[in-house]
Amino acid sequence: AQTVTQSQPEMSVQEAETVTLSCTYDTSESDYYLFWYKQPPSRQMILVIRQEAYKQQNATENRFSVNFQKAAKSFSLKISDSQLGDAAMYFCAYRSAEAAGNKLTFGGGTRVLVKP
Amino acid sequence: ETGVTQTPRHLVMGMTNKKSLKCEQHLGHNAMYWYKQSAKKPLELMFVYNFKEQTENNSVPSRFSPECPNSSHLFLHLHTLQPEDSALYLCASSQDYFSYNEQFFGPGTRLTVL
Repeated sequence: AQTVTQSQPEMSVQEAETVTLSCTYDTSESDYYLFWYKQPPSRQMILVIRQEAYKQQNATENRFSVNFQKAAKSFSLKISDSQLGDAAMYFCAYRSAEAAGNKLTFGGGTRVLVKP
Repeated sequence: ETGVTQTPRHLVMGMTNKKSLKCEQHLGHNAMYWYKQSAKKPLELMFVYNFKEQTENNSVPSRFSPECPNSSHLFLHLHTLQPEDSALYLCASSQDYFSYNEQFFGPGTRLTVL
């Protein structure tokens, strides 16, 4: 079974600065998807960015970018020019592309605090 | 209403009560999911319905009983719960379960079992 680990329970960043969230995963599969979800205090989980394992290029969505290291099984999220609205829980998730089913395995989450 | 909605947003119940959580999606999706989010634990998938048929049951205790009358509605019936069942229950939907597509989440129901 796959596991996803987020080693940072909480990260603090100054507004307009950059913060990087770590995520590692364990899998024997070669084809899969990785995701970062944001859960603000309103609790509604929102997809921030996704990466397909067979794509070498790191995904980018505006101020959010990932550093995907397949050999190291690492998938970090960088938030640039942090804004107050970025304060939330961030979850890393894994989905197999080889097994049937749209099943997500989540990490434990990292709380991001943004200081004005 | 747009997206995925859940009612109630907060629920407090005693261990002998029976209550139900409701989820509705307005996205035309065919797969719906229940997740449990406990403090200090990763989100746990509980049930999946695909085209109204239960596709996944991740060894969830029988005191949780899901119901999916149609592709737009999903219920979680609760009875004789335990205090450790207190958690945030999230509903999600996606186009279908057997192809890759994004899951859209509702805001959750915060459940407290006394």
